[in-house]
Amino acid sequence: EDKVVQSPLSLVVHEGDTVTLNCSYEVTNFRSLLWYKQEKKAPTFLFMLTSSGIEKKSGRLSSILDKKELFSILNITATQTGDSAVYLCAVEAGSSNTGKLIFGQGTTLQVKP
Amino acid sequence: NAGVMQNPRHLVRRRGQEARLRCSPMKGHSHVYWYRQLPEEGLKFMVYLQKENIIDESGMPKERFSAEFPKEGPSILRIQQVVRGDSAAYFCASSWTGGEGYTFGSGTRLTVV
Repeated sequence: EDKVVQSPLSLVVHEGDTVTLNCSYEVTNFRSLLWYKQEKKAPTFLFMLTSSGIEKKSGRLSSILDKKELFSILNITATQTGDSAVYLCAVEAGSSNTGKLIFGQGTTLQVKP
Repeated sequence: NAGVMQNPRHLVRRRGQEARLRCSPMKGHSHVYWYRQLPEEGLKFMVYLQKENIIDESGMPKERFSAEFPKEGPSILRIQQVVRGDSAAYFCASSWTGGEGYTFGSGTRLTVV
């Protein structure tokens, strides 16, 4: 059965800290890995990764994929209280291009002032 | 562009009643996905629809749940004879083509009392 596992499940840091969120997966016919940020409502898209070793960057957030070891990390540097949210990792997999995503449990990040 | 619109935002139903959740995709999007998020869990895929067709319903419970996406109007997720275990957040997402990154709605939080 396809599965996506995130760690840690929750994390508390102080403003200015750097955090690393982990996502490992076991799926058949991997297509892409996506990161979302969820703040009490709609998950909002952060990154989509399809190739190993190529870092995607957006401001203080960055992410990279390792298709050999089957994991991805999401880094947030110089954290701010506005980064507090649930971060979701999802994998699109399967032989047909349906867009169906398999989500991990999420990592709840709390950034204290 | 109003994005993916879901209504109602909150829905309270007594056990045994029916729940109808609506999702209007983004303009121009013909692919709709429904996900369910139970407390402390990640999003779980339920069903993938295109206009007038169910493409993948592998995540739908076998009984009481149904979904449609008619030629005109929003997609509907219908839950008959609701039970307490149906209490969850139900998210809809839409995309222009299946398999491309998609946009989530803000969800409907169903509470069964």
